[in-house]
Amino acid sequence: SQQGEEDPQALSIQEGENATMNCSYKTSINNLQWYRQNSGRGLVHLILIRSNEREKHSGRLRVTLDTSKKSSSLLITASRAADTASYFCATDNSGGSNYKLTFGKGTLLTVNP
Amino acid sequence: DTGVSQDPRHKITKRGQNVTFRCDPISEHNRLYWYRQTLGQGPEFLTYFQNEAQLEKSRLLSDRFSAERPKGSFSTLEIQRTEQGDSAMYLCASSRQGASHEQYFGPGTRLTVT
Repeated sequence: SQQGEEDPQALSIQEGENATMNCSYKTSINNLQWYRQNSGRGLVHLILIRSNEREKHSGRLRVTLDTSKKSSSLLITASRAADTASYFCATDNSGGSNYKLTFGKGTLLTVNP
Repeated sequence: DTGVSQDPRHKITKRGQNVTFRCDPISEHNRLYWYRQTLGQGPEFLTYFQNEAQLEKSRLLSDRFSAERPKGSFSTLEIQRTEQGDSAMYLCASSRQGASHEQYFGPGTRLTVT
C-alpha cells in the first residue's frame, strides 16, 4: 500500500516559473525523500529530509517538512524544460534502518518552454 | 561508479512462462532492493538484501516470485508461471547501509505478459 499522496497529480507551468508539489503521509517517519523519474526511466534521488529537520535546500530545490501535519512540500524555483518529470515523495518506515521506502503516486510536472 | 544496471530492459512473455531479471548494483553498496511499479503509480517495495541475506519480503511477493543475491553481488528476480497482472516495471536499487544513504535506482525492466 502507498503511504504518501502527492498533490497535485499533474502540474503544468511555463519555464522560469516556480513549481510546488505537496506530499502527505499517514504514519510516523524517520525521513522523507523526494525522487524524480523521467518517462520510462529509473528514479533519481533529489533530497532527503530527516524527521527532526524542517527545511532543506539543494540548488533550486527547497523541501519543507511538517511532522505535526504529516506533510512535506517540494519547491523547484526557476523551472526549466528539463525539469519535466514525475516527482515522488518516499517515506522511510523501517524504524530508521532506511531500507523500506514507501512511495506516493507522484506528481507529473510539465514545464513548457 | 557505473551506476545500477538491469537486464533485460524489456521482456515480453506469454502467460505461464517463467522469467528472470538481473540487477547489478553499485559495487561498494551492500544493500540491494527490488520494487515494482505499475502505470500511474509509485514504486512498491518487494524485497531487500543486505549482502547476501534477504532480510524482508513484501506480501506483494507471492510464492511465484523468488529473489537471490549469491555472494552479495548481483541479484536475480524470478517470476514463475507469469500472469497478466505481473506486467509492470521492475526496479532495482542499491545503497550503502545507514539511515541517511539514498537509494540509487537502475533503469528498470519492463515486463509485459501477454
